[in-house]
Amino acid sequence: GPKVLQIPSHQIIDMGQMVTLNCDPVSNHLYFYWYKQILGQQMEFLVNFYNGKVMEKSKLFKDQFSVERPDGSYFTLKIQPTALEDSAVYFCASSLRTGADTGQLYFGEGSKLTVL
Amino acid sequence: GDSVTQTEGQVALSEEDFLTIHCNYSASGYPALFWYVQYPGEGPQFLFRASRDKEKGSSRGFEATYNKETTSFHLQKASVQESDSAVYYCALGVSGGSNAKLTFGKGTKLSVKS
Repeated sequence: GPKVLQIPSHQIIDMGQMVTLNCDPVSNHLYFYWYKQILGQQMEFLVNFYNGKVMEKSKLFKDQFSVERPDGSYFTLKIQPTALEDSAVYFCASSLRTGADTGQLYFGEGSKLTVL
Repeated sequence: GDSVTQTEGQVALSEEDFLTIHCNYSASGYPALFWYVQYPGEGPQFLFRASRDKEKGSSRGFEATYNKETTSFHLQKASVQESDSAVYYCALGVSGGSNAKLTFGKGTKLSVKS
């Protein structure tokens, strides 16, 4: 089936550094999402993105976070600067229509971020 | 805000046992309800959905019925297999406006032994 690719699968960085998580969504999808999952806890919505703009963001989407998809390339999540509490697995997802209308979000395998 | 509660954090069964994972929700509008499954090392995968009261969703032998009265969407399977071992997430979505996202429960880890 359709695949969402995430790069890197695992990254370890020092607190205060910048990190960019990359997502290659399903080719004809229009809506993109980032979710955050701390070990043993639930997946929590961070942000969704459509037509070059953020549609909605949660309280977890701090000022240090940003997303973009320049020229239809990777959908990226940038954290600058990173903090210890940013350590988590970040899941990218995409959908053809809004997730609530179809339910068919396609998720990547996650990018595990460890901030030291 | 909208929320999903999964009662069981972990479930351990033997093959051919009957499975029930409880899911209750709280939402401001009339949500669509979903089940996702996540295998080790992979992202969550869509299992099925239901959009209205009394609708049954099903896939791969799993099923759940939307119950608006009890605000529930419990996952069931009559006879589990070892290959069903995974984490199962209940989720809800409210259509319209800026609510273009799914809210997930904490997940239930199912372990099935042969």
